[in-house]
Amino acid sequence: AQTVTQSQPEMSVQEAETVTLSCTYDTSESNYYLFWYKQPPSRQMILVIRQEAYKQQNATENRFSVNFQKAAKSFSLKISDSQLGDTAMYFCAFMKHGTSGSRLTFGEGTQLTVNP
Amino acid sequence: DTAVSQTPKYLVTQMGNDKSIKCEQNLGHDTMYWYKQDSKKFLKIMFSYNNKELIINETVPNRFSPKSPDKAHLNLHINSLELGDSAVYFCASSQDKGSPSGNTIYFGEGSWLTVV
Repeated sequence: AQTVTQSQPEMSVQEAETVTLSCTYDTSESNYYLFWYKQPPSRQMILVIRQEAYKQQNATENRFSVNFQKAAKSFSLKISDSQLGDTAMYFCAFMKHGTSGSRLTFGEGTQLTVNP
Repeated sequence: DTAVSQTPKYLVTQMGNDKSIKCEQNLGHDTMYWYKQDSKKFLKIMFSYNNKELIINETVPNRFSPKSPDKAHLNLHINSLELGDSAVYFCASSQDKGSPSGNTIYFGEGSWLTVV
C-alpha cells in the first residue's frame, strides 16, 4: 500500500516571500502520478499542480513549482511570491498509473498561512 | 458552470435519519468518486464508479449506498445516520483513459454533514 507523509503540520510565510512544503511517499510502483491540492477555508479542493513520475522535468504552474526526486521519493511544493490568497491547507497526493478507478492517497496536510 | 456540483452544501440532521447527497459532473468524465474528510481533515476514498459500474468500495458501513443512474451522476445515500458520520463529503470525477489530463481527479465543493 502507498503512504504519503507531510511532516510539516503548519507553516507560515511573509507575503511576497518563497515557501517550500515537504512531501514524501512510499511505493513499490515505478509509474504513478503526484499531485498537490489546495484547500482554502471554503473547503473546496483545488488542484495546484500535477507530476507524472516518468517525466524528469519538474512541473511548474505560474508561481507554483515542484522538486520531484524520484529516487528519494520526495515531492516538495515551492510557492514563489506568496500571496494572501495562498493561505490554505495543502495536501500532497499519490495515484498509481493506469489503474481503472484511480484512487488518490492523501497526506495529512500542511496548513500554510501567508502573513501581510 | 461548475464542473462537479454537489447538493446540498450544508446538511444538519438528527441521528437515525436517512439522507442523500447528489452529485453531477459536466466534464464528460467516465469515473466518479466519493471521498470523506473527517474532523482532522484527513481525506479518504469511499467509492468509485466507472461508467455506472462500482469499481472501488472501501471498508465503509453498508449504511452508505452509492447510486449512479448514469455516468454523469453519482449520489450517496446514508441510512440511520450516526454522530460519527459528521464530515465533509466530496464528490469527484476523472477521465481515466485517453485524456491529456490523464487520471487527474477534480473535486466538487463538498457537502458538510452534521449529525446531531
